[in-house]
Amino acid sequence: AQSVTQLGSHVSVSEGALVLLRCNYSSSVPPYLFWYVQYPNQGLQLLLKYTSAATLVKGINGFEAEFKKSETSFHLTKPSAHMSDAAEYFCAVGNQGGKLIFGQGTELSVKP
Amino acid sequence: GAVVSQHPSWVICKSGTSVKIECRSLDFQATTMFWYRQFPKQSLMLMATSNEGSKATYEQGVEKDKFLINHASLTLSTLTVTSAHPEDSSFYICSARDMTSGRGTGELFFGEGSRLTVL
Repeated sequence: AQSVTQLGSHVSVSEGALVLLRCNYSSSVPPYLFWYVQYPNQGLQLLLKYTSAATLVKGINGFEAEFKKSETSFHLTKPSAHMSDAAEYFCAVGNQGGKLIFGQGTELSVKP
Repeated sequence: GAVVSQHPSWVICKSGTSVKIECRSLDFQATTMFWYRQFPKQSLMLMATSNEGSKATYEQGVEKDKFLINHASLTLSTLTVTSAHPEDSSFYICSARDMTSGRGTGELFFGEGSRLTVL
């Protein structure tokens, strides 16, 4: 069985500050891990994914995430937040079958 | 990149009617598509896995007679909400797996979602 927990349903940062969105997973098999972003009334856009290659994964828009097996974590970071980063972020765990299990989501607010 | 299109984007219907939502992979073939449901301010819940040429696999708690899924071709899956009621109002999102990308779940693409409002 697989599951994902996102710590913090809402995170607020100032523009230019570090963004850290937390994700912990549980999986009985080597996981594939994903971060998606969702803007209001839109679908999901893939930010980055981990599929058992490099543990530090770089994605689009300056985001990156590090897979830490010992901590069962896959936290998302960005050095400097932009106003356009304000959105809902979802962490997801999957396997080779393609089925994804999503976390509860974290709403990121960016203050000017 | 690969694109998945959903239609309609918005639909409003009367209680008791049926509504069909289409999910198309525009530039790749997808033997497997997934249907998710998202309530406001909540996460995506997987409803079912749509398999081309065979029956869909439903997640526990999802009524298969209520949410009919048909995957008639390698580029089209449809979700029909039958006898819709206000509690079926939700945002429905599909995803499709690009079989040309190789192994694993590396290439999943999501549609833009379809918002259903049942009056």
